[in-house]
Amino acid sequence: GAVVSQHPSRVICKSGTSVKIECRSLDFQATTMFWYRQFPKKSLMLMATSNEGSKATYEQGVEKDKFLINHASLTLSTLTVTSAHPEDSSFYICSAAPGYNEQFFGPGTRLTVL
Amino acid sequence: GESVGLHLPTLSVQEGDNSIINCAYSNSASDYFIWYKQESGKGPQFIIDIRSNMDKRQGQRVTVLLNKTVKHLSLQIAATQPGDSAVYFCAERGAAGNKLTFGGGTRVLVKP
Repeated sequence: GAVVSQHPSRVICKSGTSVKIECRSLDFQATTMFWYRQFPKKSLMLMATSNEGSKATYEQGVEKDKFLINHASLTLSTLTVTSAHPEDSSFYICSAAPGYNEQFFGPGTRLTVL
Repeated sequence: GESVGLHLPTLSVQEGDNSIINCAYSNSASDYFIWYKQESGKGPQFIIDIRSNMDKRQGQRVTVLLNKTVKHLSLQIAATQPGDSAVYFCAERGAAGNKLTFGGGTRVLVKP
């Protein structure tokens, strides 16, 4: 149980295009979903927290107009990287929380912007 | 502000030996701590958690110790196996909200 999927697992795009990443909780409902960014050999950095049906809360320094988050249902959240640039290349990981404590992580999405 | 850090960036351990990974945290109000294992190219995998009202919790081959006096957390892995090779992160949850703050990570390399 407690499986979280992400799609796509890997994406390569041209600079200036937008990329959408989906995060799904497959066997539970997630009241909250989180989006993280991870650079090579670094720790996870929280980008934003999203609750179903409400606007996401972004961490300091994260541009909300660049990283659009939609949490349309209790099992789906999407992160759209708009007008992507090479510096946006990273490993993006989502997590889903069925309650207040545990977070279950997705397998991550490797984004490469050329 | 909140911060979670690790003492050792890399730990090499002989197969069959025990591993100890340490983590320091600075927010004395944190009430929940988790250890995650991350293999290359994958998302973090939950290992074990502990609440602040406990000082020890055991799982299968793993034990987490919490010392609130010195704000220190450790993960002990018994009889380390090659499959334990990964990066291990500690994470803490502050008193407000359910956001997690991750430590810097320790890479564990198991030598055969």
